[in-house]
Amino acid sequence: DIQMTQSPSSLSASVGDRVTITCRASQGISNYLAWFQQKPGQAPKSLIYAASNLQNGVPSKFSGSGSGTDFTLTISSLQPEDFATYYCQQYDSFPYTFGQGTRLDIK
Amino acid sequence: QVTLRESGPALVKPTQTLTLTCTFSGFSLSTTGMCVSWIRQPPGKALEWLALIDWDDDKYYSTSLKTRLTISKDTSKNQVVLKVTNMDPVDTATYYCARMFNWNPPDSWGQGTLVTVSS
Repeated sequence: DIQMTQSPSSLSASVGDRVTITCRASQGISNYLAWFQQKPGQAPKSLIYAASNLQNGVPSKFSGSGSGTDFTLTISSLQPEDFATYYCQQYDSFPYTFGQGTRLDIK
Repeated sequence: QVTLRESGPALVKPTQTLTLTCTFSGFSLSTTGMCVSWIRQPPGKALEWLALIDWDDDKYYSTSLKTRLTISKDTSKNQVVLKVTNMDPVDTATYYCARMFNWNPPDSWGQGTLVTVSS
């Protein structure tokens, strides 16, 4: 199975900050990488697919990049509604696998 | 509008078989490229991908759980069913179903259903 490792596991930031979360795959996955946002008590929300493509309705403050084994999610100008847990997922090969999550909270 | 809803028992006993149903609307699993996945999340822990079924009735499973999982579909009812045998307390989790299209990642999720395994 492909292992997905996110860093950091948790992150504190202030409103207005820009943050970057990293996701590393244990082997190359081309650009078959997705990012999800999850708030407490809610289902995950799909943000990005194919490493850098925004899902419909996702604001451009979210951006993704990377290919192969190393990927990043950047969130600019943090707002209170952005504080959540973020997960990456590879869908290059079965079984699909998720990272362990990065919790973003308010400093 | 795409919607998915998970249903099933909230409580099961150890060793029992869990049967969950995902009922969806706004798309058809007979459409080429359409898939439905099951994903779970133990309380306070990360997401775990479990299984996928595609429009052609091909099925894919988690490596660690594949001996215990069975996914199936009823296209006429717009439903996907997941069975998990030999339930254990460590299987306590919120179980989600999600739609995928053209092998892209999930773009729509159900609200999830919490299943607790306890005697």
